[in-house]
Amino acid sequence: DAGVTQSPTHLIKTRGQQVTLRCSPISGHKSVSWYQQVLGQGPQFIFQYYEKEERGRGNFPDRFSARQFPNYSSELNVNALLLGDSALYLCASSLKETSYHEQYFGPGTRLTVT
Amino acid sequence: AQSVTQLDSQVPVFEEAPVELRCNYSSSVSVYLFWYVQYPNQGLQLLLKYLSGSTLVESINGFEAEFNKSQTSFHLRKPSVHISDTAEYFCAVSDSSNTGKLIFGQGTTLQVKP
Repeated sequence: DAGVTQSPTHLIKTRGQQVTLRCSPISGHKSVSWYQQVLGQGPQFIFQYYEKEERGRGNFPDRFSARQFPNYSSELNVNALLLGDSALYLCASSLKETSYHEQYFGPGTRLTVT
Repeated sequence: AQSVTQLDSQVPVFEEAPVELRCNYSSSVSVYLFWYVQYPNQGLQLLLKYLSGSTLVESINGFEAEFNKSQTSFHLRKPSVHISDTAEYFCAVSDSSNTGKLIFGQGTTLQVKP
């Protein structure tokens, strides 16, 4: 069975640009969460979507936005990129919305902002 | 608000020696507790979790962790480590909002030496 997939694997952007990251959950999973992992730190929660509705938002500026599509895939958008946005962006999927249900993480997208 | 503290940033140990990775959390409500492992250039993999019931939980590859409510700890142990256990280990706690949001510690790098 395919796990959580994310695209692209790596990308390099310039300050001020916009970026879109994509995530495909495991088949049957309806919850998708996004995390930012800065080098040397633990992941930080950005968003959770369940059944196409936002269920949680972390302490990130409005430059960060996300959405979930009818097939439960998800996109994370970041506008007006800053150098500090350089990080590994992780997507996690689970059957349902609560943390009682195991979350499966994708390999991540490595974003470098120059 | 919940928080997680991993008391050691790096733990060097020789192969076949025992190891303990320490994790303390703070929360005013009941929580779920998790340990994730991250190998280089990969996403996170769930190692083990405490949801309820027995306070000692085990993984399939020899790790165990004990939930200690009075000390608010969830330390990870293995009686004999292998070179292949070299990785980054993250302790996480569920958020009180009953969503899938996880709050991660800073991580502990386990370095197993031959």
